[in-house]
Amino acid sequence: KNEVEQSPQNLTAQEGEFITINCSYSVGISALHWLQQHPGGGIVSLFMLSSGKKKHGRLIATINIQEKHSSLHITASHPRDSAVYICAVDNNAGNMLTFGGGTRLMVKP
Amino acid sequence: SQTIHQWPATLVQPVGSPLSLECTVEGTSNPNLYWYRQAAGRGLQLLFYSVGIGQISSEVPQNLSASRPQDRQFILSSKKLLLSDSGFYLCAWSSDFTGELFFGEGSRLTVL
Repeated sequence: KNEVEQSPQNLTAQEGEFITINCSYSVGISALHWLQQHPGGGIVSLFMLSSGKKKHGRLIATINIQEKHSSLHITASHPRDSAVYICAVDNNAGNMLTFGGGTRLMVKP
Repeated sequence: SQTIHQWPATLVQPVGSPLSLECTVEGTSNPNLYWYRQAAGRGLQLLFYSVGIGQISSEVPQNLSASRPQDRQFILSSKKLLLSDSGFYLCAWSSDFTGELFFGEGSRLTVL
């Protein structure tokens, strides 16, 4: 069993829909990262969180440490949100991350 | 502000040829540096990480090596490439203070 599981693996949505991507992990962590990988391959860090909730524009990330679960929400989705979203956890082993398999999101106009 | 650059962006190399990918970070000192690889359709795999000059840790045994000759320079090398070395290579850095991770633009390597 992978230490970090993301769901769904693939997601297709219509523009304007509210989107949720889930991440569950099985190890104790010091922080969780949400990353966005664009079709060209470049990766951008969206959030790093260790508790509660963070918001940036239309993106919201939440984490429940007790349940070992995090969600990434996208409100009013747009075709430019189409990308692979990756969850990664820092298990406090020297800034080394364990990555989920990614969620491929396509938002159709 | 901090920036990270890696090059070349795209590389096509024959099997058995050498490899050198370079990554530099600006605007910070003593960063933690990482090399990741993403094979086609696969997730990110940590190859090497470094917490200081000359300090390299390898996560996966392979024919690749890494060096950190200067504080903000990280180099990924191979003496003889294999077909299985094809993939998308990403350099990244993080700060011990914030833990936030920043990625370079990536280098797409095709070994023929």
